[in-house]
Amino acid sequence: QVQLQESGPGLVKPSQTLSLTCTVSGASISSGTYYWSWIRQSAGKGLEWIGRVYTRGYTNYNPSLKSRVTISFDTSKNQFSLKLTSVTAADTAFYYCARGVTTGTTYWFDPWGQGSLVTVSS
Amino acid sequence: QSVLTQPPSVSGAPGQTVTISCTGSSSNIGAGYDVHWYQLLPGTAPKLLIQGNSNRPSGVPDRFSGSKSGISASLAITGLQAEDEADYYCQSYDSSLRGYVFGTGTKVTVL
Repeated sequence: QVQLQESGPGLVKPSQTLSLTCTVSGASISSGTYYWSWIRQSAGKGLEWIGRVYTRGYTNYNPSLKSRVTISFDTSKNQFSLKLTSVTAADTAFYYCARGVTTGTTYWFDPWGQGSLVTVSS
Repeated sequence: QSVLTQPPSVSGAPGQTVTISCTGSSSNIGAGYDVHWYQLLPGTAPKLLIQGNSNRPSGVPDRFSGSKSGISASLAITGLQAEDEADYYCQSYDSSLRGYVFGTGTKVTVL
């Protein structure tokens, strides 16, 4: 059974960099079969796809966040990470990591981690 | 960011049927991209309920069903149970935004 778990600081100061790690168990993130994504949910708002990393470290990002986001692998630890620079209060949210599954013509997220609350505040 | 519109809330008594709509546009659902549905409960990992418009993953009760037509999709919950009280989100792909998009979310209340 594949499981994902987010970890990282729960409080980040404005203008600094938010860093989170997702540890994957039950599957190898370097297998090339799946995509590994970050998704967030701001307080009182809906879900927002942030981006993904997949085989050989290729990435795709939400155009609205692309200038501030980096997602990368650490295959030795079976982890992938998120870095979001120049954060503001608007980046306060629950951050989820999830496995992306595709059949080639469609793409969904399963499973997800439980989420990690990150608050941006001085 | 949410380009898929859902009703903010729906409610029903135990045993009843509720339906949640997800309305998009010609750049997402109307373009033929599949719709997937998730259940969010506080403190737990979001759960995939429906993938590919109408397919239930293993372990998801058959009380949950999905459909898609035109620029909209729907999730139906039949035989509503107290444990179904949660937030539900649809998800698709948008070619104009060049990314994966989610609905605005619907809170289901069991009366």
